[in-house]
Amino acid sequence: QQPVQSPQAVILREGEDAVINCSSSKALYSVHWYRQKHGEAPVFLMILLKGGEQKGHEKISASFNEKKQQSSLYLTASQLSYSGTYFCGTEKGYQKVTFGIGTKLQVIP
Amino acid sequence: DSGVTQTPKHLITATGQRVTLRCSPRSGDLSVYWYQQSLDQGLQFLIQYYNGEERAKGNILERFSAQQFPDLHSELNLSSLELGDSALYFCASSSRTGTGELFFGEGSRLTVL
Repeated sequence: QQPVQSPQAVILREGEDAVINCSSSKALYSVHWYRQKHGEAPVFLMILLKGGEQKGHEKISASFNEKKQQSSLYLTASQLSYSGTYFCGTEKGYQKVTFGIGTKLQVIP
Repeated sequence: DSGVTQTPKHLITATGQRVTLRCSPRSGDLSVYWYQQSLDQGLQFLIQYYNGEERAKGNILERFSAQQFPDLHSELNLSSLELGDSALYFCASSSRTGTGELFFGEGSRLTVL
C-alpha cells in the first residue's frame, strides 16, 4: 500500500518554512524520507523508527505519529539547495520500503 | 557517490526485445532493491533480495524477473519490452547493521522505441 503525501507541490521563497506530510493506512515499522533532484538518484534525509528514534539530517527534522501512522518532514529556513522532490517511504517489515508519489518543492530567491 | 553501481546508465532498445540491468550493492550490504520510476512518477517498488533470496515482491510484471547472485550483485531482466516500460530503473542497497537507510545507484534509463 503506497503512502499518501501532501502537498503534491509547493513553492517557497528562501528562508521560508515548509511541512510535508505522509500517511499510511497500515501499521508501520519505520518511515524514511529522501530528496531527489532532477535527473539524480534519491538521497537519504531521515529515518524515523517505531519507538521514537530518529536518525538523519542535521538541518531537517521530522515527526512520526505511530498511532495515526503519519509522519511530517519539517524544512526550516529553506535554502535554494532544498529544491527537489521529497519522497516518504514506509516500511512495514522485512525492509520493504514503499514510496509515495513525492512532493515537488521549489525554493526561489 | 553512494557506493551502489548500476550498468548500463542508458539503454535504447525496441519493443519486443529483452534487456538485463545490473546492480552491484555497497560493500557488505546484503539487501538489494529494485525500483521503477516513470516520467514524473514516484518510485514503484519492484522486488527485494536479501543475501540471495527473494524477500519481498511489489508490482513487478511477469515479463520482469530478477535474481541476486552469491557475490551479492543483482540483475533485473526485462523481456517482451513495451513502450510503457520506458523508465528509470533504480537499484538500492541497505544494511541492517546501519541506520536502515537505502543507498541508491544512479539508475539505468531505459528507452523502448
